[in-house]
Amino acid sequence: DVKVTQSSRYLVKRTGEKVFLECVQDMDHENMFWYRQDPGLGLRLIYFSYDVKMKEKGDIPEGYSVSREKKERFSLILESASTNQTSMYLCASSLGGLAGAYEQYFGPGTRLTVT
Amino acid sequence: GNSVTQMEGPVTLSEEAFLTINCTYTATGYPSLFWYVQYPGEGLQLLLKATKADDKGSNKGFEATYRKETTSFHLEKGSVQVSDSAVYFCALLTGGFKTIFGAGTRLFVKA
Repeated sequence: DVKVTQSSRYLVKRTGEKVFLECVQDMDHENMFWYRQDPGLGLRLIYFSYDVKMKEKGDIPEGYSVSREKKERFSLILESASTNQTSMYLCASSLGGLAGAYEQYFGPGTRLTVT
Repeated sequence: GNSVTQMEGPVTLSEEAFLTINCTYTATGYPSLFWYVQYPGEGLQLLLKATKADDKGSNKGFEATYRKETTSFHLEKGSVQVSDSAVYFCALLTGGFKTIFGAGTRLFVKA
């Protein structure tokens, strides 16, 4: 079974803090994704990565950065947390290749509160 | 651009009722279509998928048929259970890396 784990289920941070959210997958997937999920807005893609050290902006990258130094690990960084970044953050991974109809495997999510 | 529209919730049903959650899409090319489910306190998980027109995806009693002529992928189940209470997301993938998700439909099933 594919397993995607996220470093924390719940996190409370103060405005202006630097926040790291870690995601690890154990199935050698090429692609990894970070989403935020907010009521009424569904899932919005923040960043994705299709290979080690490669990253692409998603729909809402402002205020975030990412790091992928190893294939299994994809980190989301909030450089200076703000209250409007309070949300549920979901990490996902999938097999790579443009020709494949590959489903995504999700972690359990991190509920981040910025006060 | 590509998009997915699904019926707004919440949908409230009694146990053993028939379920339909509508999903329509707009896409260039030939997308693959998915239904994901999110149980309370968890991430999303794949429920079923279909990769070409007229394909039927099925899992755990749920079914959806890829209808290219109506650009639809409606989710159905003949008899829902309380344990089916969750949020259901329709999604599409057209080459590339980016899956487009619908807004989600919350289902409540009463005993």
